[in-house]
Amino acid sequence: QSALTQPASVSGSPGQSITISCTGASSDVGGYKYVSWYQQHPGKAPKFLIYEVGQRPSGVSDRFSGSKSGNTASLTISGLQAEDDGVYYCCSYAGGNTWVFGGGTKVTVL
Amino acid sequence: VQVEESGGGVVQPGGSLRLSCAASGFTFSRYGMHWVRQAPGKGLEWVAFILNDGSNKWDADSVKGRFTVSRDNSKNTLYLEMNSLRVEDTAVYYCAKDGEGHKEFDYWGQGTLVTVSS
Repeated sequence: QSALTQPASVSGSPGQSITISCTGASSDVGGYKYVSWYQQHPGKAPKFLIYEVGQRPSGVSDRFSGSKSGNTASLTISGLQAEDDGVYYCCSYAGGNTWVFGGGTKVTVL
Repeated sequence: VQVEESGGGVVQPGGSLRLSCAASGFTFSRYGMHWVRQAPGKGLEWVAFILNDGSNKWDADSVKGRFTVSRDNSKNTLYLEMNSLRVEDTAVYYCAKDGEGHKEFDYWGQGTLVTVSS
């Protein structure tokens, strides 16, 4: 159950697009369509953003989109806004009813 | 939908603690439930999962044999029994509802802090 690999930080200016990568293995990211993404602001609970690689739950802005290629999943935030500042976590189903998270990526809106 | 954790506190290494998670706003007995934790300044770590009817449960290697997840559907409450606590178990513990796809966490509580220290 090794953690998925995410970049420690990503930054962008308002209006720009950024992409956060999430690299795992064939036993997790590469083996299932069940990659999800969460946003966390300081002192707050994580918020559910994306499920099944690229599906958005109702109420989540369409500025957030997800994709996957092989063992790497990605989250793209387009039209970056100040409120997007925070830490983003990917998570993958790892089989046998177990899950593994990424280490988190700090997004800074410049 | 709301889930609210309670039961956190300070405990000595080797001690025990039981966390609770009260659920409302959805049919609790229809959904699996998870515990996820976050050590201070660190990332998220999945801890345990229990099926909607409590018939089966799974947990992370890091807590195997020490933590036990359970639920009482008559009380809409999820539990985490933590034994043989270690300093490295210090974290905010979140309960989270299993999503409609049954492979994600769609609603989270605000968490309860467990501090293991002598």
